[in-house]
Amino acid sequence: DSGVTQTPKHLITATGQRVTLRCSPRSGDLSVYWYQQSLDQGLQFLIQYYNGEERAKGNILERFSAQQFPDLHSELNLSSLELGDSALYFCASSATGTSAEQYFGPGTRLTVT
Amino acid sequence: GQQVMQIPQYQHVQEGEDFTTYCNSSTTLSNIQWYKQRPGGHPVFLIQLVKSGEVKKQKRLTFQFGEAKKNSSLHITATQTTDVGTYFCAGPGNAGNMLTFGGGTRLMVKP
Repeated sequence: DSGVTQTPKHLITATGQRVTLRCSPRSGDLSVYWYQQSLDQGLQFLIQYYNGEERAKGNILERFSAQQFPDLHSELNLSSLELGDSALYFCASSATGTSAEQYFGPGTRLTVT
Repeated sequence: GQQVMQIPQYQHVQEGEDFTTYCNSSTTLSNIQWYKQRPGGHPVFLIQLVKSGEVKKQKRLTFQFGEAKKNSSLHITATQTTDVGTYFCAGPGNAGNMLTFGGGTRLMVKP
């Protein structure tokens, strides 16, 4: 158990809908990262927050947005969903905002039908 | 932008055989990290290498960081079925705040 929690574990929704994925980092970690992993693919970095502020952005679509709240939990919002958005979404946390080791949550499996 | 590449993409071995995965970066890295993802699981941090030419061992796993700090390798001696999974290397991205992951090497072990 990494100490990072993600909800929900599974999500099935229709195209065009909007969903919110939630992540709670390890106790004391200030940095949260979001990744997308499509079937048998690598980890695509989406976005990083550090202590409530956006720190780095990857190949995140304009339909996707995220935020980190004062209690350090984070939410990833995915809107106007398309079939191709079906994937595993991982959240990871680290103690600092630098490239420190990251601890991954169990992931949310999103299926868009 | 920075690219991190891993080879091979897949590797089938017989239990007891050795296995090596290689990681190459398009830029010099301040450090390299390795993660393992079991089937159906999430990536788990294994190790971080920082120094040029560094070698670290964890039981049957040997990690190396190249002299130029642009490549790395993970070698597993006498694989076991518990080694099954995808091994990812990762290095700091351009902004220095995030990690760029390689595509991973998926290891399958036949008992």
